[in-house]
Amino acid sequence: AQSVAQPEDQVNVAEGNPLTVKCTYSVSGNPYLFWYVQYPNRGLQFLLKYITGDNLVKGSYGFEAEFNKSQTSFHLKKPSALVSDSALYFCAVRDRGVGGNNRLAFGKGNQVVVIP
Amino acid sequence: DAGVIQSPRHEVTEMGQEVTLRCKPISGHDYLFWYRQTMMRGLELLIYFNNNVPIDDSGMPEDRFSAKMPNASFSTLKIQPSEPRDSAVYFCASSLAAGQGSGELFFGEGSRLTVL
Repeated sequence: AQSVAQPEDQVNVAEGNPLTVKCTYSVSGNPYLFWYVQYPNRGLQFLLKYITGDNLVKGSYGFEAEFNKSQTSFHLKKPSALVSDSALYFCAVRDRGVGGNNRLAFGKGNQVVVIP
Repeated sequence: DAGVIQSPRHEVTEMGQEVTLRCKPISGHDYLFWYRQTMMRGLELLIYFNNNVPIDDSGMPEDRFSAKMPNASFSTLKIQPSEPRDSAVYFCASSLAAGQGSGELFFGEGSRLTVL
């Protein structure tokens, strides 16, 4: 079974400082990995994904994530956080080895608070 | 594309009443998912469809919940009778088939249900 762990409930960071949101995953085969962001009273918005190739993936709003197969991690990063980055962030995984299964496993989400 | 469209955005009803939530997926997407989000339980997958056929409804909490997808452009989630513990935000999401992409989901803005 596929699963995702987001170990921290809340991440606090000062505006302008680097932001990291941690994610580790578990799949039986090779993963597709995703990050989503949810702003208050909105749906989840796709940020970025890892399919194959370069381990460093760049996405929307200046975010990037690094796939680390040996550590089964896919941490989300932003070099300089903005107050507007305050939101709920979800990591998700799909096992590409499970043919025809489009079901994603989501983490519990991390609340990011960027302090002015 | 207009994205995934959900209605109503907000619903307030009394215990025992029937509630119907509606979703129009992105045109051409083969998969449709219904999620429920609460503070206590986070994001839960209720049911998903592939080509209008329910594939996995193991997340549907009880028989009071039912979902249908009569055609490729419309799905409903019905709660009858509703109870206060059903209060949550219900999200619909759609995606392409696994073989046509990496399976990222596109979410609607959600339907916020309050059962008094």
